[in-house]
Amino acid sequence: AQSVSQHNHHVILSEAASLELGCNYSYGGTVNLFWYVQYPGQHLQLLLKYFSGDPLVKGIKGFEAEFIKSKFSFNLRKPSVQWSDTAEYFCAVNARTGGFKTIFGAGTRLFVKA
Amino acid sequence: SAVISQKPSRDICQRGTSLTIQCQVDSQVTMMFWYRQQPGQSLTLIATANQGSEATYESGFVIDKFPISRPNLTFSTLTVSNMSPEDSSIYLCSVDRDNRQRGTEAFFGQGTRLTVV
Repeated sequence: AQSVSQHNHHVILSEAASLELGCNYSYGGTVNLFWYVQYPGQHLQLLLKYFSGDPLVKGIKGFEAEFIKSKFSFNLRKPSVQWSDTAEYFCAVNARTGGFKTIFGAGTRLFVKA
Repeated sequence: SAVISQKPSRDICQRGTSLTIQCQVDSQVTMMFWYRQQPGQSLTLIATANQGSEATYESGFVIDKFPISRPNLTFSTLTVSNMSPEDSSIYLCSVDRDNRQRGTEAFFGQGTRLTVV
Protein backbone atom coordinates (compact mmCIF):
# COMPACT_ATOMS: atom_id res chain seq x y z
CA ALA A 1 0.00 0.00 0.00
CA GLN A 2 1.13 3.51 -0.66
CA SER A 3 2.43 5.39 2.35
CA VAL A 4 4.30 8.49 3.38
CA SER A 5 6.59 8.64 6.40
CA GLN A 6 7.72 11.78 8.16
CA HIS A 7 10.59 11.13 10.50
CA ASN A 8 10.14 13.90 13.01
CA HIS A 9 6.87 14.45 14.81
CA HIS A 10 8.01 17.46 16.81
CA VAL A 11 10.91 19.79 16.13
CA ILE A 12 11.97 22.74 18.27
CA LEU A 13 14.47 25.23 16.86
CA SER A 14 15.76 28.65 17.71
CA GLU A 15 15.42 31.45 15.20
CA ALA A 16 18.12 31.46 12.51
CA ALA A 17 18.72 27.74 12.91
CA SER A 18 18.62 25.56 9.82
CA LEU A 19 15.73 23.20 9.23
CA GLU A 20 15.51 19.85 7.55
CA LEU A 21 12.37 17.71 7.75
CA GLY A 22 12.54 14.18 6.44
CA CYS A 23 9.95 12.55 4.18
CA ASN A 24 10.00 9.13 2.57
CA TYR A 25 7.34 7.51 0.40
CA SER A 26 6.63 4.01 -0.75
CA TYR A 27 5.23 4.44 -4.27
CA GLY A 28 6.81 2.97 -7.33
CA GLY A 29 6.77 4.69 -10.67
CA THR A 30 6.16 8.33 -11.39
CA VAL A 31 5.21 10.40 -8.38
CA ASN A 32 4.17 13.94 -7.62
CA LEU A 33 5.49 15.25 -4.31
CA PHE A 34 4.32 18.10 -2.13
CA TRP A 35 4.91 19.88 1.10
CA TYR A 36 2.00 21.64 2.74
CA VAL A 37 2.04 23.93 5.75
CA GLN A 38 -0.70 24.55 8.27
CA TYR A 39 -0.25 27.56 10.52
CA PRO A 40 -2.02 27.52 13.87
CA GLY A 41 -5.74 27.87 13.35
CA GLN A 42 -5.42 28.15 9.60
CA HIS A 43 -5.94 25.96 6.58
CA LEU A 44 -3.49 24.01 4.52
CA GLN A 45 -1.27 25.92 2.14
CA LEU A 46 0.98 24.49 -0.53
CA LEU A 47 4.64 25.26 0.15
CA LEU A 48 6.15 23.59 -2.87
CA LYS A 49 5.68 20.74 -5.30
CA TYR A 50 7.70 18.46 -7.53
CA PHE A 51 6.34 16.99 -10.74
CA SER A 52 9.42 16.54 -12.92
CA GLY A 53 12.68 18.18 -13.95
CA ASP A 54 15.13 19.71 -11.50
CA PRO A 55 14.95 17.62 -8.32
CA LEU A 56 15.72 20.68 -6.20
CA VAL A 57 12.49 22.58 -5.86
CA LYS A 58 12.13 26.05 -4.41
CA GLY A 59 8.90 27.10 -2.78
CA ILE A 60 7.47 30.04 -0.93
CA LYS A 61 8.96 31.69 2.14
CA GLY A 62 12.48 30.45 1.46
CA PHE A 63 11.68 26.76 1.65
CA GLU A 64 13.17 24.20 -0.70
CA ALA A 65 12.99 20.44 -1.08
CA GLU A 66 15.12 17.87 -2.83
CA PHE A 67 13.72 14.81 -4.55
CA ILE A 68 16.11 11.87 -4.35
CA LYS A 69 14.53 9.11 -6.37
CA SER A 70 16.96 6.41 -5.29
CA LYS A 71 16.11 7.08 -1.65
CA PHE A 72 12.37 7.64 -2.20
CA SER A 73 12.85 10.86 -0.28
CA PHE A 74 11.66 14.45 -0.51
CA ASN A 75 13.16 16.34 2.41
CA LEU A 76 12.18 19.90 3.20
CA ARG A 77 14.84 22.48 4.06
CA LYS A 78 15.18 26.08 5.09
CA PRO A 79 18.57 27.64 5.85
CA SER A 80 17.34 30.00 8.55
CA VAL A 81 13.99 29.65 10.25
CA GLN A 82 11.92 32.46 11.71
CA TRP A 83 9.45 32.53 14.56
CA SER A 84 6.69 32.85 11.96
CA ASP A 85 7.60 29.42 10.57
CA THR A 86 5.99 27.83 13.63
CA ALA A 87 3.43 25.52 12.05
CA GLU A 88 2.70 21.94 11.12
CA TYR A 89 4.28 20.63 7.95
CA PHE A 90 2.85 17.79 5.90
CA CYS A 91 4.58 15.82 3.20
CA ALA A 92 2.21 14.42 0.56
CA VAL A 93 2.43 12.21 -2.49
CA ASN A 94 0.24 11.23 -5.37
CA ALA A 95 0.86 8.96 -8.30
CA ARG A 96 -0.85 7.56 -11.31
CA THR A 97 -0.49 4.08 -9.84
CA GLY A 98 -2.48 5.30 -6.86
CA GLY A 99 -5.20 6.89 -8.93
CA PHE A 100 -3.74 10.28 -8.09
CA LYS A 101 -5.06 10.11 -4.57
CA THR A 102 -3.00 12.44 -2.44
CA ILE A 103 -1.72 10.67 0.63
CA PHE A 104 -0.37 12.68 3.54
CA GLY A 105 2.31 11.96 6.06
CA ALA A 106 1.59 12.23 9.76
CA GLY A 107 2.94 15.76 9.91
CA THR A 108 5.79 17.46 11.74
CA ARG A 109 4.99 20.10 14.29
CA LEU A 110 7.68 22.81 14.21
CA PHE A 111 8.10 25.30 17.01
CA VAL A 112 10.57 28.13 16.52
CA LYS A 113 11.73 29.94 19.63
CA ALA A 114 12.15 33.68 19.27
CA SER B 1 -5.76 26.72 -9.24
CA ALA B 2 -9.31 25.85 -8.23
CA VAL B 3 -11.77 27.65 -6.00
CA ILE B 4 -13.60 25.29 -3.70
CA SER B 5 -16.51 26.30 -1.50
CA GLN B 6 -17.65 24.17 1.38
CA LYS B 7 -20.81 24.49 3.43
CA PRO B 8 -21.28 24.64 6.32
CA SER B 9 -17.98 25.99 7.59
CA ARG B 10 -18.74 24.65 11.04
CA ASP B 11 -21.51 22.94 12.94
CA ILE B 12 -22.30 21.51 16.31
CA CYS B 13 -24.47 18.43 16.12
CA GLN B 14 -26.17 16.06 18.49
CA ARG B 15 -25.00 12.47 18.56
CA GLY B 16 -27.11 10.13 16.50
CA THR B 17 -27.94 12.77 13.89
CA SER B 18 -26.49 13.21 10.40
CA LEU B 19 -24.84 16.14 8.68
CA THR B 20 -24.43 16.69 4.96
CA ILE B 21 -21.47 18.75 3.81
CA GLN B 22 -21.54 20.36 0.39
CA CYS B 23 -18.58 21.04 -1.85
CA GLN B 24 -18.79 23.28 -4.92
CA VAL B 25 -15.91 23.75 -7.36
CA ASP B 26 -15.56 26.62 -9.80
CA SER B 27 -14.58 24.37 -12.70
CA GLN B 28 -15.30 20.85 -13.88
CA VAL B 29 -13.10 18.19 -12.36
CA THR B 30 -13.07 14.45 -12.77
CA MET B 31 -11.96 13.49 -9.29
CA MET B 32 -13.10 14.92 -5.99
CA PHE B 33 -11.71 13.73 -2.68
CA TRP B 34 -13.00 13.86 0.86
CA TYR B 35 -10.57 13.98 3.78
CA ARG B 36 -10.88 14.02 7.53
CA GLN B 37 -8.47 15.78 9.87
CA GLN B 38 -9.04 14.74 13.43
CA PRO B 39 -7.78 17.07 16.17
CA GLY B 40 -4.00 17.22 16.18
CA GLN B 41 -3.65 14.71 13.37
CA SER B 42 -2.88 14.57 9.68
CA LEU B 43 -5.31 14.33 6.81
CA THR B 44 -6.84 10.95 6.16
CA LEU B 45 -8.50 10.22 2.85
CA ILE B 46 -12.07 9.02 3.27
CA ALA B 47 -13.05 8.41 -0.34
CA THR B 48 -12.65 9.42 -3.96
CA ALA B 49 -15.79 10.57 -5.75
CA ASN B 50 -15.94 10.38 -9.53
CA GLN B 51 -18.93 11.67 -11.41
CA GLY B 52 -21.19 8.94 -12.70
CA SER B 53 -19.89 6.16 -10.50
CA GLU B 54 -19.97 5.11 -6.88
CA ALA B 55 -17.39 6.58 -4.59
CA THR B 56 -14.32 4.52 -3.76
CA TYR B 57 -13.75 4.28 -0.02
CA GLU B 58 -10.44 3.89 1.76
CA SER B 59 -9.83 1.20 4.31
CA GLY B 60 -11.70 1.94 7.50
CA PHE B 61 -14.44 4.00 5.87
CA VAL B 62 -17.78 2.64 4.66
CA ILE B 63 -20.59 3.99 2.56
CA ASP B 64 -23.23 3.51 5.26
CA LYS B 65 -21.35 5.86 7.57
CA PHE B 66 -20.11 8.34 4.94
CA PRO B 67 -22.45 8.32 1.95
CA ILE B 68 -21.21 10.50 -0.89
CA SER B 69 -23.01 11.97 -3.85
CA ARG B 70 -21.42 13.28 -7.05
CA PRO B 71 -24.24 14.44 -9.29
CA ASN B 72 -22.10 16.48 -11.67
CA LEU B 73 -18.54 17.57 -12.40
CA THR B 74 -18.59 20.58 -10.06
CA PHE B 75 -20.41 19.36 -6.95
CA SER B 76 -20.26 16.68 -4.29
CA THR B 77 -21.71 16.01 -0.86
CA LEU B 78 -20.44 13.99 2.07
CA THR B 79 -22.84 12.89 4.78
CA VAL B 80 -21.61 11.95 8.21
CA SER B 81 -24.30 9.57 9.47
CA ASN B 82 -25.36 8.58 12.96
CA MET B 83 -22.70 10.81 14.45
CA SER B 84 -20.79 10.16 17.63
CA PRO B 85 -18.25 12.39 19.41
CA GLU B 86 -15.47 10.45 17.67
CA ASP B 87 -16.65 11.98 14.39
CA SER B 88 -15.65 15.44 15.60
CA SER B 89 -13.14 16.52 12.99
CA ILE B 90 -12.48 18.89 10.17
CA TYR B 91 -13.83 17.48 6.93
CA LEU B 92 -12.16 18.72 3.76
CA CYS B 93 -13.14 18.54 0.15
CA SER B 94 -10.31 18.41 -2.34
CA VAL B 95 -9.99 18.38 -6.09
CA ASP B 96 -7.36 17.47 -8.60
CA ARG B 97 -6.95 18.74 -12.11
CA ASP B 98 -8.58 16.75 -14.87
CA ASN B 99 -5.22 15.46 -16.00
CA ARG B 100 -4.96 11.74 -15.93
CA GLN B 101 -1.42 11.86 -17.23
CA ARG B 102 0.17 13.82 -14.44
CA GLY B 103 -2.27 14.83 -11.79
CA THR B 104 -1.57 17.96 -9.83
CA GLU B 105 -1.48 19.19 -6.31
CA ALA B 106 -4.58 18.84 -4.20
CA PHE B 107 -6.63 21.99 -3.82
CA PHE B 108 -8.65 22.20 -0.65
CA GLY B 109 -11.82 23.80 0.46
CA GLN B 110 -11.87 25.74 3.71
CA GLY B 111 -13.11 22.69 5.54
CA THR B 112 -16.08 21.97 7.76
CA ARG B 113 -15.34 21.91 11.46
CA LEU B 114 -17.74 19.42 13.00
CA THR B 115 -18.27 19.04 16.71
CA VAL B 116 -20.52 16.24 17.93
CA VAL B 117 -21.93 16.58 21.43
